Amino acid sequence: DQQVKQNSPSLSVQEGRISILNCDYTNSMFDYFLWYKKYPAEGPTFLISISSIKDKNEDGRFTVFLNKSAKHLSLHIVPSQPGDSAVYFCLGQNFVFGPGTRLSVLP
Amino acid sequence: GAGVSQSPRYKVAKRGQDVALRCDPISGHVSLFWYQQALGQGPEFLTYFQNEAQLDKSGLPSDRFFAERPEGSVSTLKIQRTQQEDSAVYLCASSFSFGTGGLLDQPQHFGDGTRLSIL
Repeated sequence: DQQVKQNSPSLSVQEGRISILNCDYTNSMFDYFLWYKKYPAEGPTFLISISSIKDKNEDGRFTVFLNKSAKHLSLHIVPSQPGDSAVYFCLGQNFVFGPGTRLSVLP
Repeated sequence: GAGVSQSPRYKVAKRGQDVALRCDPISGHVSLFWYQQALGQGPEFLTYFQNEAQLDKSGLPSDRFFAERPEGSVSTLKIQRTQQEDSAVYLCASSFSFGTGGLLDQPQHFGDGTRLSIL
């Protein structure tokens, strides 16, 4: 039981547009969530996190939204850039990764 | 400062051989994690340490896998009598602290992994 799931294996977006990556969780005990980005042949890189006391956390082009009633979080990247093309993972506090979502930003 | 360092970057071994993979965490990081990542999958948790104590090894796939962190810094993941299904990227991560109740409250910082190929 992963407890945190990403249901879209891939996403393609035009450069300059918004990318929205989604994640659902089942464990109501989680109060801290993280997003990681992974390029091929590299380890995952921490991107942004959110604590359940907030419903939004922003860092430059990256914003994470948390909807506790729906047990849903999303990562918004705007504007998307070709360098954002990578696999994105969301994590709950049990440090279990799902398969991730592969984002392709097209020039 | 230096990030998490893993060595070797690539390791090729014959089936049945023993291998040892090393992880140098970020200095001062209390917690250290090992993951196994198969092609096309997300990283799968193997084990974690808080200082020198191995607090969870529930993800180790068999008793051929053994991890240690004797002085609370460098860690070694050892795989005995390797099998072809052990071929994967092995990732190490460290974090400054660890939350209560076995739950993360800080980001993990990952190394670039060791790609293990068993022939």
